[in-house]
Amino acid sequence: QKEVEQDPGPLSVPEGAIVSLNCTYSNSAFQYFMWYRQYSRKGPELLMYTYSSGNKEDGRFTAQVDKSSKYISLFIRDSQPSDSATYLCAMIGVQGAQKLVFGQGTRLTINP
Amino acid sequence: DGGITQSPKYLFRKEGQNVTLSCEQNLNHDAMYWYRQDPGQGLRLIYYSQIVNDFQKGDIAEGYSVSREKKESFPLTVTSAQKNPTAFYLCASTRTGITLAKNIQYFGAGTRLSVL
Repeated sequence: QKEVEQDPGPLSVPEGAIVSLNCTYSNSAFQYFMWYRQYSRKGPELLMYTYSSGNKEDGRFTAQVDKSSKYISLFIRDSQPSDSATYLCAMIGVQGAQKLVFGQGTRLTINP
Repeated sequence: DGGITQSPKYLFRKEGQNVTLSCEQNLNHDAMYWYRQDPGQGLRLIYYSQIVNDFQKGDIAEGYSVSREKKESFPLTVTSAQKNPTAFYLCASTRTGITLAKNIQYFGAGTRLSVL
């Protein structure tokens, strides 16, 4: 079993829809959770960064962490065609070297 | 502008050949990383270095080698022992220290390696 599971999609939704992207994980030592956005043939860029459980909002994006269920989500409101990309969840524990563990990535397409 | 520069953008390898991928950063970050990305598999860690002249194997180090002679540079060599090198290679860097920012990895634009 992988430490981090993410549905690779592809996911296709109409413009303006609310998008929900999710990851589950098995390692209870993970404390820091991130979402990266990766456009085709580019490097990933950090979108959201949260610590422990709770919600964090940034514009149209909301990151949610539920440590009791080992489940994290990214919500995109009023989705735009420019949001079309692959979204990668990533997480890291407190101890040890700074090794991020990534999900497989979900490929998202927003249709105009 | 500060950032991570990877070169070349595209690279072709012949059978039995070693090739080297370049990664340079001007962010003054201590730690640097190399990942391999295959379709549907996310990012897998090849090697990482937290300080100059020191590096550690990641999850898939076989067939790869690295060096860290300068803080700014972390080149990756894909050796002939790597039998399936076709992939997208990403370099990243982070700060070190005790702040939350140490977990944030900044990525280069990647190098796409193909076998001829």
